Amino acid sequence: AQSVSQHNHHVILSEAASLELGCNYSYGGTVNLFWYVQYPGQHLQLLLKYFSGDPLVKGIKGFEAEFIKSKFSFNLRKPSVQWSDTAEYFCAVNNNAGNMLTFGGGTRLMVKP
Amino acid sequence: GAVVSQHPSWVICKSGTSVKIECRSLDFQATTMFWYRQFPKQSLMLMATSNEGSKATYEQGVEKDKFLINHASLTLSTLTVTSAHPEDSSFYICSARDRTGTESYNEQFFGPGTRLTVL
Repeated sequence: AQSVSQHNHHVILSEAASLELGCNYSYGGTVNLFWYVQYPGQHLQLLLKYFSGDPLVKGIKGFEAEFIKSKFSFNLRKPSVQWSDTAEYFCAVNNNAGNMLTFGGGTRLMVKP
Repeated sequence: GAVVSQHPSWVICKSGTSVKIECRSLDFQATTMFWYRQFPKQSLMLMATSNEGSKATYEQGVEKDKFLINHASLTLSTLTVTSAHPEDSSFYICSARDRTGTESYNEQFFGPGTRLTVL
């Protein structure tokens, strides 16, 4: 069975600080990796995804993530956060058959103005 | 493209009643839809996988008779919470997978969610 862990449950940053959210997964086969964001009171939105190719993936709103296969990691980064980035971030993994999507526990990010 | 809608967005019901939640893929066909539940300040937990024209596959611990899933067409899946109780209050989210294409097949498109409150 696959599992996903997000190490940081709560992160508080000041505006313009750099962000890195950790995501590790356990699954022996080929995986597809996703980061979703959920703004307060809103539904899930896809930030970025990795299926194959360049392990450095650029998403929307200035976010990027790097897939490091040897570390089973897919950390999310943003060089300079804004107050509007305050939200909950979820890492998710499914296998190459596109079946069950497993979510991490989420990281709640608060950006202070 | 790839829009998924849910109806209703918010429902309040009395304990013991049944509530039906609809999930629709608006601009694509979905042979597979997924139902998740999200409790406050928690992550999404998969409840079941809904396959068009066949029975849903439920995750361990999810009661089949309580959470009835019907996927009658390629664009509609319904989740019925039968005899709802306060502990069923939660945020129910569906997602759909596009049946066409290769890369997009591995991506799930999420609906906006339905907040259920059982009094």
